[in-house]
Amino acid sequence: DIQMTQSPSSLSASVGDRVTITCQASQDISSFLNWYQQKPGKAPKLLIYDASNLETGVPSRFSGSGSGTDFTFTISSLQPEDIATYYCQQYDNLPLTFGGGTKVEIK
Amino acid sequence: QVQLQESGPGLVKPSETLSLTCTVSGGSISSYYWSWIRQPPGKGLEWIGYIYSSGSTNYNPSLKSRVTMSVDRSKNQISLNMRSVTAADTAVYYCARDFGSGSYFDYWGQGTVVTVSS
Repeated sequence: DIQMTQSPSSLSASVGDRVTITCQASQDISSFLNWYQQKPGKAPKLLIYDASNLETGVPSRFSGSGSGTDFTFTISSLQPEDIATYYCQQYDNLPLTFGGGTKVEIK
Repeated sequence: QVQLQESGPGLVKPSETLSLTCTVSGGSISSYYWSWIRQPPGKGLEWIGYIYSSGSTNYNPSLKSRVTMSVDRSKNQISLNMRSVTAADTAVYYCARDFGSGSYFDYWGQGTVVTVSS
């Protein structure tokens, strides 16, 4: 199985800050990487697919980049409604696997 | 707008079978892949497997020996059966539309809590 390692596991930032989360794959996954946002008690929501493509309706302050084994997810200006846990997910190989998650809080 | 709704018993006894159904509304299940994903309390996400509308399946090897998925196109439903459950199977179970044969999940159900306990 491909292991997905996210860092940090949690972070605290102020409203308006730029927030960056990284995701590292245990082997080359090309650009087969997605990002999800999960708010407490809710299902995950797709934000970014294929490493850098913004899902329809998702605010442009969210972005993704990277390829191969190293990927980055960025919130350009953190908003109060962005408080959530964020997960990366690879689909280069089955079984599909997720990172451990990054919990984002407001400072 | 596609909507997914999971249903099934919230409590299952150890060693018994967990059975869940996902009803899809606002669109047909035909020509799409449908996945089950679970999340133990306070933990991350685990992909269980997917089923195509034709009935072909692919399961996570870690669960393959205990899992069966099926599709009922007449009812626009997919189902999950997991045998010989233990407390480790306690989780929120989600169904989700898989955009491809194992790609990204663009529509999710709200999830259903399943507790394994005697």
